Amino acid sequence: KAGVTQTPRYLIKTRGQQVTLSCSPISGHRSVSWYQQTPGQGLQFLFEYFSETQRNKGNFPGRFSGRQFSNSRSEMNVSTLELGDSALYLCASSPRLRGRSTDTQYFGPGTRLTVL
Amino acid sequence: GIQVEQSPPDLILQEGANSTLRCNFSDSVNNLQWFHQNPWGQLINLFYIPSGTKQNGRLSATTVATERYSLLYISSSQTTDSGVYFCAVEQKAAGNKLTFGGGTRVLVKP
Repeated sequence: KAGVTQTPRYLIKTRGQQVTLSCSPISGHRSVSWYQQTPGQGLQFLFEYFSETQRNKGNFPGRFSGRQFSNSRSEMNVSTLELGDSALYLCASSPRLRGRSTDTQYFGPGTRLTVL
Repeated sequence: GIQVEQSPPDLILQEGANSTLRCNFSDSVNNLQWFHQNPWGQLINLFYIPSGTKQNGRLSATTVATERYSLLYISSSQTTDSGVYFCAVEQKAAGNKLTFGGGTRVLVKP
Protein backbone atom coordinates (compact mmCIF):
# COMPACT_ATOMS: atom_id res chain seq x y z
CA LYS A 1 0.00 0.00 0.00
CA ALA A 2 1.42 3.38 -0.96
CA GLY A 3 2.25 5.77 1.84
CA VAL A 4 1.23 9.37 2.34
CA THR A 5 2.41 11.56 -0.52
CA GLN A 6 2.92 15.31 -0.51
CA THR A 7 3.54 17.68 -3.38
CA PRO A 8 5.54 19.65 -4.07
CA ARG A 9 8.50 18.59 -1.95
CA TYR A 10 10.21 21.97 -2.11
CA LEU A 11 8.84 25.41 -2.73
CA ILE A 12 10.29 28.92 -2.76
CA LYS A 13 7.98 31.92 -2.54
CA THR A 14 8.29 35.60 -1.75
CA ARG A 15 6.56 37.58 0.96
CA GLY A 16 2.98 38.47 0.16
CA GLN A 17 2.41 35.56 -2.20
CA GLN A 18 0.12 32.64 -1.47
CA VAL A 19 0.88 28.94 -1.66
CA THR A 20 -1.08 25.69 -1.92
CA LEU A 21 0.29 22.38 -0.70
CA SER A 22 -1.22 18.98 -1.46
CA CYS A 23 -1.46 15.76 0.53
CA SER A 24 -2.74 12.37 -0.61
CA PRO A 25 -3.46 10.02 2.30
CA ILE A 26 -2.95 6.29 2.45
CA SER A 27 -5.70 4.52 0.52
CA GLY A 28 -8.70 4.02 2.77
CA HIS A 29 -7.65 6.66 5.27
CA ARG A 30 -10.21 9.40 5.69
CA SER A 31 -8.56 11.72 8.21
CA VAL A 32 -5.83 14.13 7.17
CA SER A 33 -4.00 16.32 9.67
CA TRP A 34 -1.47 19.05 8.92
CA TYR A 35 1.53 20.06 11.04
CA GLN A 36 4.08 22.85 10.77
CA GLN A 37 7.68 22.30 11.86
CA THR A 38 10.02 25.24 12.48
CA PRO A 39 13.31 25.41 14.37
CA GLY A 40 11.84 27.86 16.88
CA GLN A 41 8.38 26.41 17.55
CA GLY A 42 8.94 22.75 16.79
CA LEU A 43 6.10 20.62 15.49
CA GLN A 44 2.69 22.23 15.81
CA PHE A 45 -0.77 21.06 14.82
CA LEU A 46 -2.50 23.13 12.14
CA PHE A 47 -5.82 21.36 11.45
CA GLU A 48 -7.55 18.08 10.76
CA TYR A 49 -9.97 17.28 7.95
CA PHE A 50 -12.39 14.38 7.84
CA SER A 51 -15.25 13.83 5.40
CA GLU A 52 -14.45 17.12 3.68
CA THR A 53 -14.94 19.09 6.91
CA GLN A 54 -12.46 20.73 9.22
CA ARG A 55 -12.83 18.93 12.54
CA ASN A 56 -10.08 20.43 14.68
CA LYS A 57 -7.91 23.51 14.44
CA GLY A 58 -4.68 24.61 16.04
CA ASN A 59 -3.64 28.08 17.07
CA PHE A 60 -2.74 29.60 13.71
CA PRO A 61 -3.99 32.79 12.03
CA GLY A 62 -6.73 32.75 9.42
CA ARG A 63 -4.11 33.01 6.65
CA PHE A 64 -3.76 29.26 7.06
CA SER A 65 -6.64 27.34 5.59
CA GLY A 66 -7.34 23.98 4.08
CA ARG A 67 -9.84 21.75 2.42
CA GLN A 68 -10.47 18.12 1.74
CA PHE A 69 -11.92 16.50 -1.34
CA SER A 70 -14.29 13.57 -1.65
CA ASN A 71 -11.36 11.21 -2.34
CA SER A 72 -9.81 12.33 1.01
CA ARG A 73 -6.97 14.24 -0.66
CA SER A 74 -6.32 17.48 1.17
CA GLU A 75 -4.82 20.83 0.34
CA MET A 76 -3.64 23.57 2.63
CA ASN A 77 -3.29 27.18 1.60
CA VAL A 78 -1.27 29.97 3.15
CA SER A 79 -2.10 33.47 1.97
CA THR A 80 -0.03 36.64 2.29
CA LEU A 81 3.12 34.72 3.11
CA GLU A 82 5.44 36.00 5.83
CA LEU A 83 9.08 35.14 6.43
CA GLY A 84 8.04 33.21 9.54
CA ASP A 85 5.97 30.84 7.43
CA SER A 86 9.18 29.21 6.22
CA ALA A 87 8.86 25.69 7.55
CA LEU A 88 8.49 22.02 6.83
CA TYR A 89 4.80 21.26 6.41
CA LEU A 90 3.85 17.68 7.20
CA CYS A 91 0.59 15.92 6.67
CA ALA A 92 -0.51 12.74 8.38
CA SER A 93 -3.31 10.35 7.63
CA SER A 94 -5.28 7.89 9.73
CA PRO A 95 -8.31 5.74 9.04
CA ARG A 96 -10.84 7.46 11.28
CA LEU A 97 -11.67 10.82 12.79
CA ARG A 98 -9.01 11.62 15.38
CA GLY A 99 -11.46 12.72 18.01
CA ARG A 100 -13.11 9.30 18.07
CA SER A 101 -10.10 7.07 17.69
CA THR A 102 -6.45 6.72 18.57
CA ASP A 103 -5.32 5.05 15.36
CA THR A 104 -1.68 5.51 14.53
CA GLN A 105 -1.05 8.51 12.28
CA TYR A 106 1.26 8.05 9.30
CA PHE A 107 3.23 11.00 8.05
CA GLY A 108 4.17 12.07 4.56
CA PRO A 109 7.67 13.26 3.57
CA GLY A 110 6.72 16.91 3.94
CA THR A 111 6.88 20.06 1.83
CA ARG A 112 9.72 22.40 2.66
CA LEU A 113 8.56 25.99 2.10
CA THR A 114 11.03 28.85 1.97
CA VAL A 115 9.70 32.41 2.01
CA LEU A 116 12.12 35.09 0.79
CA GLY B 1 -2.40 23.02 27.17
CA ILE B 2 -0.38 19.93 27.89
CA GLN B 3 3.40 20.27 28.09
CA VAL B 4 5.70 17.59 26.66
CA GLU B 5 9.36 17.70 27.55
CA GLN B 6 12.09 15.49 26.17
CA SER B 7 15.56 14.91 27.53
CA PRO B 8 18.34 15.10 26.78
CA PRO B 9 18.06 17.61 23.92
CA ASP B 10 21.22 16.25 22.30
CA LEU B 11 22.99 12.93 22.52
CA ILE B 12 26.26 11.81 20.95
CA LEU B 13 26.92 8.08 20.98
CA GLN B 14 29.67 5.82 19.85
CA GLU B 15 28.43 3.03 17.59
CA GLY B 16 27.48 0.05 19.71
CA ALA B 17 26.52 2.06 22.78
CA ASN B 18 23.16 1.94 24.53
CA SER B 19 21.05 4.96 25.46
CA THR B 20 17.79 6.04 27.05
CA LEU B 21 15.63 8.94 25.92
CA ARG B 22 12.95 10.35 28.20
CA CYS B 23 9.61 12.01 27.59
CA ASN B 24 7.65 13.70 30.40
CA PHE B 25 4.13 15.02 30.00
CA SER B 26 2.14 17.28 32.26
CA ASP B 27 -1.34 15.75 32.09
CA SER B 28 -3.09 12.44 31.47
CA VAL B 29 -3.10 11.28 27.85
CA ASN B 30 -4.98 8.80 25.68
CA ASN B 31 -2.00 7.81 23.64
CA LEU B 32 1.71 8.34 23.18
CA GLN B 33 3.79 7.76 20.09
CA TRP B 34 7.51 7.78 19.43
CA PHE B 35 8.82 8.93 16.04
CA HIS B 36 12.21 9.06 14.37
CA GLN B 37 12.78 11.94 11.95
CA ASN B 38 15.40 11.18 9.36
CA PRO B 39 17.69 13.84 7.84
CA TRP B 40 15.21 14.38 5.00
CA GLY B 41 12.41 15.26 7.39
CA GLN B 42 10.37 12.08 7.18
CA LEU B 43 8.71 11.11 10.47
CA ILE B 44 8.79 7.35 10.95
CA ASN B 45 6.49 5.70 13.47
CA LEU B 46 8.45 3.73 16.04
CA PHE B 47 5.95 2.90 18.77
CA TYR B 48 2.33 3.46 19.58
CA ILE B 49 2.48 3.00 23.35
CA PRO B 50 -0.15 4.50 25.67
CA SER B 51 1.10 2.22 28.46
CA GLY B 52 3.31 -0.77 29.07
CA THR B 53 6.41 -1.94 27.23
CA LYS B 54 7.02 -2.78 23.59
CA GLN B 55 10.09 -3.95 21.72
CA ASN B 56 11.01 -3.79 18.07
CA GLY B 57 14.48 -5.09 17.31
CA ARG B 58 17.09 -2.94 19.03
CA LEU B 59 14.49 -0.40 20.13
CA SER B 60 12.12 -0.69 23.02
CA ALA B 61 9.80 1.72 24.79
CA THR B 62 8.08 1.89 28.13
CA THR B 63 5.27 4.23 29.13
CA VAL B 64 4.20 4.68 32.75
CA ALA B 65 1.00 6.62 32.25
CA THR B 66 0.26 7.03 35.96
CA GLU B 67 3.61 8.79 36.43
CA ARG B 68 3.38 10.66 33.13
CA TYR B 69 6.55 9.61 31.41
CA SER B 70 7.82 7.38 28.66
CA LEU B 71 11.28 6.02 27.88
CA LEU B 72 12.80 4.98 24.58
CA TYR B 73 15.76 2.60 24.72
CA ILE B 74 18.24 2.26 21.91
CA SER B 75 20.57 -0.71 22.25
CA SER B 76 23.72 -1.43 20.24
CA SER B 77 23.32 1.88 18.38
CA GLN B 78 24.16 2.13 14.70
CA THR B 79 24.95 5.16 12.55
CA THR B 80 21.54 4.76 10.91
CA ASP B 81 19.94 5.53 14.29
CA SER B 82 21.08 9.14 13.93
CA GLY B 83 18.34 11.71 13.63
CA VAL B 84 15.80 13.36 15.87
CA TYR B 85 13.49 11.36 18.11
CA PHE B 86 10.14 12.83 19.03
CA CYS B 87 7.50 11.73 21.43
CA ALA B 88 3.96 12.96 20.87
CA VAL B 89 0.87 12.64 23.02
CA GLU B 90 -2.85 12.73 22.35
CA GLN B 91 -5.70 13.87 24.56
CA LYS B 92 -9.33 13.16 23.76
CA ALA B 93 -10.35 16.60 25.03
CA ALA B 94 -8.10 18.11 22.35
CA GLY B 95 -9.52 15.96 19.56
CA ASN B 96 -6.59 13.56 19.74
CA LYS B 97 -4.30 15.90 17.85
CA LEU B 98 -0.62 15.14 18.36
CA THR B 99 1.26 17.43 20.76
CA PHE B 100 4.99 16.95 20.23
CA GLY B 101 7.93 17.29 22.54
CA GLY B 102 10.97 19.26 21.48
CA GLY B 103 12.85 16.17 20.38
CA THR B 104 16.19 14.55 21.17
CA ARG B 105 18.84 14.92 18.48
CA VAL B 106 20.95 11.76 18.34
CA LEU B 107 24.26 11.44 16.55
CA VAL B 108 25.86 8.01 16.39
CA LYS B 109 29.54 8.12 15.46
CA PRO B 110 31.26 5.18 13.75
